[in-house]
Amino acid sequence: EPEVTQTPSHQVTQMGQEVILRCVPISNHLYFYWYRQILGQKVEFLVSFYNNEISEKSEIFDDQFSVERPDGSNFTLKIRSTKLEDSAMYFCASSPDSATNEKLFFGSGTQLSVL
Amino acid sequence: KQEVTQIPAALSVPEGENLVLNCSFTDSAIYNLQWFRQDPGKGLTSLLLIQSSQREQTSGRLNASLDKSSGRSTLYIAASQPGDSATYLCAAAMNRDDKIIFGKGTRLHILP
Repeated sequence: EPEVTQTPSHQVTQMGQEVILRCVPISNHLYFYWYRQILGQKVEFLVSFYNNEISEKSEIFDDQFSVERPDGSNFTLKIRSTKLEDSAMYFCASSPDSATNEKLFFGSGTQLSVL
Repeated sequence: KQEVTQIPAALSVPEGENLVLNCSFTDSAIYNLQWFRQDPGKGLTSLLLIQSSQREQTSGRLNASLDKSSGRSTLYIAASQPGDSATYLCAAAMNRDDKIIFGKGTRLHILP
């Protein structure tokens, strides 16, 4: 069964460093998302991406965050200068069509630890 | 602003029992509501999706109900098994293409 793949599964970085979280969505999907979950908190929406541009972003997704689909298969989340409060599980998700929240497939997540 | 709340935060029940997980939402004008399962080290898996026009959905031993007027949904698990142990998340969407708003989840532990 097709699945969303995220790498790495764990990432440890120093505060102030840049990190790139990588995702390979399901191949025929058109809509891509990043969500995050701080330990003990709710899963929160960060950003949605369609047709090579951001469709929607939350207030969490500030100038330190960016997303890119560099090669038609990967979907990346970059945090330019990590802060301690960026420590969280980051989930990538994809959807095949415009009924985006009805056919949403999540990856296993990347656990980001900022020291 | 939509808020989704789940009670209880954690639940332990003996194997074989039937159980109910609760979810409430503040804005009744939802488009749909989903229940997800989250296993440690794994992603989120959608279990059931209820459209705003529906009252319930069933899949195997799982039954989810939706009462928009009272802002509540329940997930009923029949004849619980140890393999049902996981965190169950309730999530609401306000529009067809809208982001999903999650609750904090109920951590379920089925005792063998």
